[in-house]
Order: sequence, then C-alpha cells, then structure tokens
Amino acid sequence: ETGVTQTPRHLVMGMTNKKSLKCEQHLGHNAMYWYKQSAKKPLELMFVYNFKEQTENNSVPSRFSPECPNSSHLFLHLHTLQPEDSALYLCASQPGQGSYEQYFGPGTRLTVT
Amino acid sequence: SQQGEEDPQALSIQEGENATMNCSYKTSINNLQWYRQNSGRGLVHLILIRSNEREKHSGRLRVTLDTSKKSSSLLITASRAADTASYFCATDALTHTGNQFYFGTGTSLTVIP
Repeated sequence: ETGVTQTPRHLVMGMTNKKSLKCEQHLGHNAMYWYKQSAKKPLELMFVYNFKEQTENNSVPSRFSPECPNSSHLFLHLHTLQPEDSALYLCASQPGQGSYEQYFGPGTRLTVT
Repeated sequence: SQQGEEDPQALSIQEGENATMNCSYKTSINNLQWYRQNSGRGLVHLILIRSNEREKHSGRLRVTLDTSKKSSSLLITASRAADTASYFCATDALTHTGNQFYFGTGTSLTVIP
C-alpha cells in the first residue's frame, strides 16, 4: 500500500455517460498527477496539480476534466468518451519540491463501450 | 521526446538468475528513477539515482547511470518468482512549473520458479 487510493477500481461506461474517477491521499503531499496507461505505450502524463493549482495539461482532450478541491483529493471527470480512451488511469502524489519519488494509486481500469 | 526507453521489452529467466534491464533517454536529466508495476496495479518506486551518481544499491537491486551515454541499467540479483513484474525507468525534466517525469514502455520480467 502506497497511501494513495483510487475509486472505482473498474469502470465500464458508454460513450454518452458521465462518470468521475476519484483519487485520495493523506500523505501530506503537495503535488498530484493523473496518468493514462495504455497497452504497449509509455505512461502518458495528463494533468499535474501543485498546491491545488493545475500546473500542467498535456494537450488532453476536453472530454477529460480534472478537479482538485483540496490537496488530498483529485478527481477526473469523464464525459462523451471514445473507445480509444479505454485504459488504466493512474493517480500519483509527490511530496513536493526537492523530493522526486512518486506514490501511485492502484489505478482505475476504464472500459468505454 | 524525453521518454525513457527500456530494453529488452520482455525478459524471462529462471529463479536465482540475475536480471538486467536497460534504459536510454534523450536529454539531460536531474535524476532517474526505477519503478515496478505488478499486473494491473500502480507503480511502486524502487530506487532513485541522481545525475552526479554512477551507481547505487538497494538490497538485491543495483542501478548504474552513465550520463555520457544517456543510459541506465537495473540489475536484480538472485531473482525470485515474486520479482515477476514490469519495470519502468522515469527521467525528469525541469519545466517552468516544476519537475515532470517521463516513463518508458517498460520491461516485462518473468521469473520462472
């Protein structure tokens, strides 16, 4: 256990659905990340939040909408997804400046039908 | 891109043998990390090596870094069946908003009992 939890662990949704992924950490970390992991592709960084402020958006389509209401919680809101969005979505947290180790959650396996 | 690339993509060895995985990257780094991922789970940090270090040990793990060749290797000695997992290197890049990490596609290691 890394101290980072993600819910749900598995999600099947249709292309017209709206759903949200949740990530939670009580490690006191200041940075939180969303990654997408697809088969045979490198881990893709999607969003970065530092002290609740979004600092990176790596050209992610607008059908993915992140939200960071406080430094312990991170959400990824999903709507009108495409089948190619099916992947493992990983959340990670990092203590902050000067500490580079990332702590990953177990991921949400998303299937878009 | 800055992505690390692991080699080989897949490796199968007998229990007790040593496993060596390599990582190459393209631009200057501050540090390089190795992570492990069990099937369908999140990544777990194994070891970090800074750009001014050449070798680092942690238990059965040995990491080397050659910044002139922009490459790193991870050696797992006396492998065990429980070492079966995917292994990723992550290189960092300093952006205007902080450190970002770039992961490769990973090496899938199978240790046969």
